Amino acid sequence: ETGVTQSPTHLIKTRGQQVTLRCSSQSGHNTVSWYQQALGQGPQFIFQYYREEENGRGNFPPRFSGLQFPNYSSELNVNALELDDSALYLCASSAGTGEAKNIQYFGAGTRLSVL
Amino acid sequence: RKEVEQDPGPFNVPEGATVAFNCTYSNSASQSFFWYRQDCRKEPKLLMSVYSSGNEDGRFTAQLNRASQYISLLIRDSKLSDSATYLCVVNIRDTGRRALTFGSGTRLQVQP
Repeated sequence: ETGVTQSPTHLIKTRGQQVTLRCSSQSGHNTVSWYQQALGQGPQFIFQYYREEENGRGNFPPRFSGLQFPNYSSELNVNALELDDSALYLCASSAGTGEAKNIQYFGAGTRLSVL
Repeated sequence: RKEVEQDPGPFNVPEGATVAFNCTYSNSASQSFFWYRQDCRKEPKLLMSVYSSGNEDGRFTAQLNRASQYISLLIRDSKLSDSATYLCVVNIRDTGRRALTFGSGTRLQVQP
């Protein structure tokens, strides 16, 4: 196992609602990245946090926001949910420096269904 | 055009076969390359990094051609347990973005 844990594992919401997903990174990892994976597609980068600061963002609207805490755990918040937000949300952690930062270890994901 | 392109498959091969997957990437700023494996409804797991000199890990061999912006994965002596989706992944060090860019994956089904 990677040591990256995500909660909850499954979630059902309705359009317009808000959701918070959580991730605990692997011990010693200070960088957390979030990805959205729609059915039949590869994961798409949402954003990355390094030492509690956003460190890059993909092509997602501002209603996708995040936080990283001093213990390097992280949250992904999505406001005003849309049907197309239904996907597997993956958190990945990595060490912050050197070549190790390019190796990312994924949690099992949160499967979000928006009805 | 997608930044990382893969043949979606599926590749249906018998046990013991050799199978090769290819991947092309469009961003010349790509600096690190990987193959990840993803089982159905599971998270992606790192299979191997890919280096310009080529690298091998048991039955798996990966190659990188920077000039052609092309990555390959060869699996020899396929096992039933190799059935999965194989994701080609690059790390693009553009300003403000240090993240993995994934292809859509190539599905492999190894049959008895």
